[in-house]
Amino acid sequence: GQQLNQSPQSMFIQEGEDVSMNCTSSSIFNTWLWYKQDPGEGPVLLIALYKAGELTSNGRLTAQFGITRKDSFLNISASIPSDVGIYFCAGAGGTSYGKLTFGQGTILTVHP
Amino acid sequence: DVKVTQSSRYLVKRTGEKVFLECVQDMDHENMFWYRQDPGLGLRLIYFSYDVKMKEKGDIPEGYSVSREKKERFSLILESASTNQTSMYLCASSSPGSLNQPQHFGDGTRLSIL
Repeated sequence: GQQLNQSPQSMFIQEGEDVSMNCTSSSIFNTWLWYKQDPGEGPVLLIALYKAGELTSNGRLTAQFGITRKDSFLNISASIPSDVGIYFCAGAGGTSYGKLTFGQGTILTVHP
Repeated sequence: DVKVTQSSRYLVKRTGEKVFLECVQDMDHENMFWYRQDPGLGLRLIYFSYDVKMKEKGDIPEGYSVSREKKERFSLILESASTNQTSMYLCASSSPGSLNQPQHFGDGTRLSIL
């Protein structure tokens, strides 16, 4: 099955730094989603994007739906230790079944 | 808030056993999904269901089956467990609509097959 190309695979940063990660696909998506997974828990939705070009913020998080509909990025500003976790992008092609295609994940480590 | 509950957080079984993983959601969602998560591979879809008694294969259905007898419950079955099925299993649900509704996940079941 298809997977999105998510990069980077991992990041080690200092507290207070900004973070940027992105996902690209060879296919067009109608929806882009960004999830965060804390250790030992299931993924939790951070941001949902439904329109090409859309830029959406959630606190220190900002995500954009690429104009080509084949990519998306997530930025985290002024990182804090609790930002640690795995971040996943996911794309949906428009079926009513809501089937998603996931990226491989970005493992974020924040040093105090 | 949507609540997706997986019956076990940790499970240890032996090779050849029949294993049942249970998932229940409380938001009357039509769609339910089973994924497995392995390091570096992200989430891979095993099976999904868009209605009671309906099921569709995902990307890696081999060695698994599912059951959806009630709308709120979606079970994943390992007919004869093997060591390569040791993994984290995640259940999710979503509601259908013209816009792709986000999936809501349970906390996962970490399954070890010895």
